[in-house]
Amino acid sequence: DGGITQSPKYLFRKEGQNVTLSCEQNLNHDAMYWYRQDPGQGLRLIYYSQIVNDFQKGDIAEGYSVSREKKESFPLTVTSAQKNPTAFYLCASSTEQGAAFFGPGTRLTVL
Amino acid sequence: AQTVTQSQPEMSVQEAETVTLSCTYDTSESDYYLFWYKQPPSRQMILVIRQEAYKQQNATENRFSVNFQKAAKSFSLKISDSQLGDAAMYFCAYRRAYNNNDMRFGAGTRLTVKP
Repeated sequence: DGGITQSPKYLFRKEGQNVTLSCEQNLNHDAMYWYRQDPGQGLRLIYYSQIVNDFQKGDIAEGYSVSREKKESFPLTVTSAQKNPTAFYLCASSTEQGAAFFGPGTRLTVL
Repeated sequence: AQTVTQSQPEMSVQEAETVTLSCTYDTSESDYYLFWYKQPPSRQMILVIRQEAYKQQNATENRFSVNFQKAAKSFSLKISDSQLGDAAMYFCAYRRAYNNNDMRFGAGTRLTVKP
């Protein structure tokens, strides 16, 4: 079945650690996105990528990094520079003119 | 940057009744797409309906329909014959037609359905 997978579902990070969230899609979509969702709030764009080996910062990119070495994969690293990383992270993909399809999300908690 | 505003943080509706969720957006573009997404307690984002700005006809999907007013930059969602399973957060989203990046979301409206 085509879709988007995110792993892990739950992730715990100690202060000062970098952690990487995985996002994989087999929909053959060119564009991929990372969003952050805080409790009771909407989605804020962290990074997006329109093609392999290219990505742009969204509204809240500070403290995050990404790579896009393969069309299917768009991992997000939460670095120690991100001061308040506890949130729900959603990955999405889309065609150029289509709607975005979302993965199930990763819940990141800082211990 | 484009902005999306949902002015109703919470709404409630009686089962089998109709409810309308509001959304306005700000853009200088003439071609774009608008979406409504549903996020149930599982937190999985589900596409409800999509509207192309160049189409004058309002989109419909079964019990879900939109009222798209391009000049007013308004994009409301009407849910008819509300069901208990419709209870969720609903997000309005905007995206430019010729560039993938600007997928912007509103803050959401929490819909409660009363039996």
